[in-house]
Amino acid sequence: SQQGEEDPQALSIQEGENATMNCSYKTSINNLQWYRQNSGRGLVHLILIRSNEREKHSGRLRVTLDTSKKSSSLLITASRAADTASYFCATFSGGYQKVTFGTGTKLQVIP
Amino acid sequence: DTEVTQTPKHLVMGMTNKKSLKCEQHMGHRAMYWYKQKAKKPPELMFVYSYEKLSINESVPSRFSPECPNSSLLNLHLHALQPEDSALYLCASSQIRDRGEKLFFGSGTQLSVL
Repeated sequence: SQQGEEDPQALSIQEGENATMNCSYKTSINNLQWYRQNSGRGLVHLILIRSNEREKHSGRLRVTLDTSKKSSSLLITASRAADTASYFCATFSGGYQKVTFGTGTKLQVIP
Repeated sequence: DTEVTQTPKHLVMGMTNKKSLKCEQHMGHRAMYWYKQKAKKPPELMFVYSYEKLSINESVPSRFSPECPNSSLLNLHLHALQPEDSALYLCASSQIRDRGEKLFFGSGTQLSVL
């Protein structure tokens, strides 16, 4: 079962532009994480934000979390062609280490 | 060593075959996961082991049988699979914290069932 819905499903931007993707989830969470997946490969962890945090930065990444709206956003600034990948949010709902992934956003950055 | 190693990378099997997928990590992580991912879909959780004990089984059919022989190894035994079981199978590991920790993923096994 999936916890999160992401939008947009697909996003195409020019190199240098910013990319924003959104995640909504259904139940209360302990943390929300973002992962990147290059085609047919394993997922790479990007950033984790805990339920008592509202914003977090890591390099060109900015994540926000609004627990009242059960939503999060990932902003990638000054995008590069190498950022082309699928991006997934994932929620940790506590107990038994259950991590559930959202539907994903496929990002294409055009050089 | 921050790697999760999965073998084999590719596997083709018939519906009557028995095969196993293997996963190994040496980061001291005590939670290990199996996910199944169909093309253009998100990973779906199958099993979670915490401290070498099965803690989550997401109603996975019995033709998939997980095993955690020790804290570094995770296996997925496959028997009598169906063509719809063809997918990318991903292993992951993490530390165990009440508030959760990030997952480290292997590069997956691409399984084709004929």
